[in-house]
Amino acid sequence: DIQMTQSPSSLSASVGDRVTITCRASQAINTYVAWFQQRPGKAPKSLIYGASTLHSGVPSRFSASGSVTDFTLTISGLQPEDFATYYCQQYNYFPLTFGQGTRLDIK
Amino acid sequence: EVRLLESGGILVQPGGSLRLACATSGFTFNDFAMYWVRQPPGKGLEWVSATSGGAGTPYYADSVRGRFTISRDISNNTLYLHMNSLRDEDTGMYFCARGSSINTGIIDNWGLGTLVSVST
Repeated sequence: DIQMTQSPSSLSASVGDRVTITCRASQAINTYVAWFQQRPGKAPKSLIYGASTLHSGVPSRFSASGSVTDFTLTISGLQPEDFATYYCQQYNYFPLTFGQGTRLDIK
Repeated sequence: EVRLLESGGILVQPGGSLRLACATSGFTFNDFAMYWVRQPPGKGLEWVSATSGGAGTPYYADSVRGRFTISRDISNNTLYLHMNSLRDEDTGMYFCARGSSINTGIIDNWGLGTLVSVST
């Protein structure tokens, strides 16, 4: 199985800050990576697919990049609604696997 | 608008069975892959099962293969997860999700989830 390792596991930031979350795959997965946001007590929300393409309706302050094994999610100009947990996921191979999550808290 | 609404989650004893349902609307059900993803209390997301659109090829995580069965009823646009031989570690919120195409791959929409508790 492909392991997806996110870092950091948690971070604190302020409204208006720029933050970056990284995700490393245990083997090459081209650009078959997605990113999801989950607010406490809510269902996940799809943000990114194909490593860098935003789903419809996702604000442009979200951006992502990467290929092969190393991927990043960046949020520029944090808004109050962005404080949540973020997950990466690979969909190149079954079983589909998620990172362990990165919790983004308000500083 | 794509809508996914899960139901069927309850408290069940270990070894028991359960059927989860995901009622869908707002899209042509058979044209899209569908997924089940679960989340144990306080933990991260875990993929459980998927089915392609069309022929409905099923895929399973090793942890549930042989115990869970994914199916779809095209006549009422509903996805199911039949769960047998339930274990404590199957406890969690179960989310139904839609793929972005007929083939498995990208998840684009999520349901609100239904809670399964396996305990004596």
